[in-house]
Amino acid sequence: EDQVTQSPEALRLQEGESSSLNCSYTVSGLRGLFWYRQDPGKGPEFLFTLYSAGEEKEKERLKATLTKKESFLHITAPKPEDSATYLCAVQAGGRRALTFGSGTRLQVQP
Amino acid sequence: GAVVSQHPSWVICKSGTSVKIECRSLDFQATTMFWYRQFPKQSLMLMATSNEGSKATYEQGVEKDKFLINHASLTLSTLTVTSAHPEDSSFYICSASIQSRRTQADTEAFFGQGTRLTVV
Repeated sequence: EDQVTQSPEALRLQEGESSSLNCSYTVSGLRGLFWYRQDPGKGPEFLFTLYSAGEEKEKERLKATLTKKESFLHITAPKPEDSATYLCAVQAGGRRALTFGSGTRLQVQP
Repeated sequence: GAVVSQHPSWVICKSGTSVKIECRSLDFQATTMFWYRQFPKQSLMLMATSNEGSKATYEQGVEKDKFLINHASLTLSTLTVTSAHPEDSSFYICSASIQSRRTQADTEAFFGQGTRLTVV
């Protein structure tokens, strides 16, 4: 059974204080690892898809990296508007549906 | 970018009634869509996979007679919660993804805005 574990569960940062969120996974045949941002009461907003170890993708203050066991979402100089829950999900084997981690609730204080 | 639209965004219904939620892919065709359920401060749990022109595939523990899924076209899937009860109150979210023709891997997976269902 595919397993996705995110840490920390919650993170509070000061504006400008860079940090990283972790997503560790145990799957059979990773096809893709997805990162999403979710604001309260809304659906997840797509951020990145990573496919193979060593791959990196960037978007504004966010950078996602992937190894064979985990993925990191690095947030550089965060702003209050980056406050949200960040979800990690995997697509593995012959299954197209995503398996989600429990998320990291990020709060960036001005 | 590709967009998935879900309607309604919130609904309140009485116990025993049925509620239909629509999910549309606006600028791409989706032979497969997915329905998830999310409880407060928890992650998304897959309920079922909606297949265009065929029966949906339900996850273990999800009652197919209670959560009716219809995927009649390449851009529309519907979830009907039948004989709703207060315990069905939740946040329901649909998803559709774009698949690479070359690799068959999903390149992007998009989600609707979600539907907050409250059964009173």
